[in-house]
Amino acid sequence: DAKTTQPPSMDCAEGRAANLPCNHSTISGNEYVYWYRQIHSQGPQYIIHGLKNNETNEMASLIITEDRKSSTLILPHATLRDTAVYYCIVRAYTGTASKLTFGTGTRLQVTL
Amino acid sequence: GAVVSQHPSWVICKSGTSVKIECRSLDFQATTMFWYRQFPKQSLMLMATSNEGSKATYEQGVEKDKFLINHASLTLSTLTVTSAHPEDSSFYICSAIGGSSSYNEQFFGPGTRLTVL
Repeated sequence: DAKTTQPPSMDCAEGRAANLPCNHSTISGNEYVYWYRQIHSQGPQYIIHGLKNNETNEMASLIITEDRKSSTLILPHATLRDTAVYYCIVRAYTGTASKLTFGTGTRLQVTL
Repeated sequence: GAVVSQHPSWVICKSGTSVKIECRSLDFQATTMFWYRQFPKQSLMLMATSNEGSKATYEQGVEKDKFLINHASLTLSTLTVTSAHPEDSSFYICSAIGGSSSYNEQFFGPGTRLTVL
């Protein structure tokens, strides 16, 4: 699976949009971009994933650049409960179970 | 969404004893389960992949005789830490693949915190 690069930490004011970047310059054509988050002392939580089109769900939006070498996760109105470590993971969908390789992620701190 | 539970949520044991951690998929059948370990302030590290009815596949550097994995049914996988030592103290997290998702999504359990004295 391709390697990802994320900033180690970011701050965001409550109510503002949080934009979390991820670089994945070696991504292959069959690899998806996944985002998970981990709130302290809990298991990771799936947020969103995409291949090449922008995606949106009730939690977040995922913007993938046209060359697919980078992406941005957007939390439109961050709250204190969004404080967590956010992981950007690139994974191929092979039709069978495939591993998730977690990097170091971005620690997002949402403040009042 | 699919729910994965773990039991116990935390455990403290003496050095040299064995500890069993259970991972259950509550509302779906999990053909594959994964076990991760996370040390403080570090990321999740995959330990092994467990497929129902077959032997687990361990990642490089993980001792299969120390971390015994059993996936006897489509809703239950167990991780047994044998002869635990203080360096085995960690946060153990399982995940499961299955359910109605067509993308083989992994659903994570809440984790088990193991402290070995």
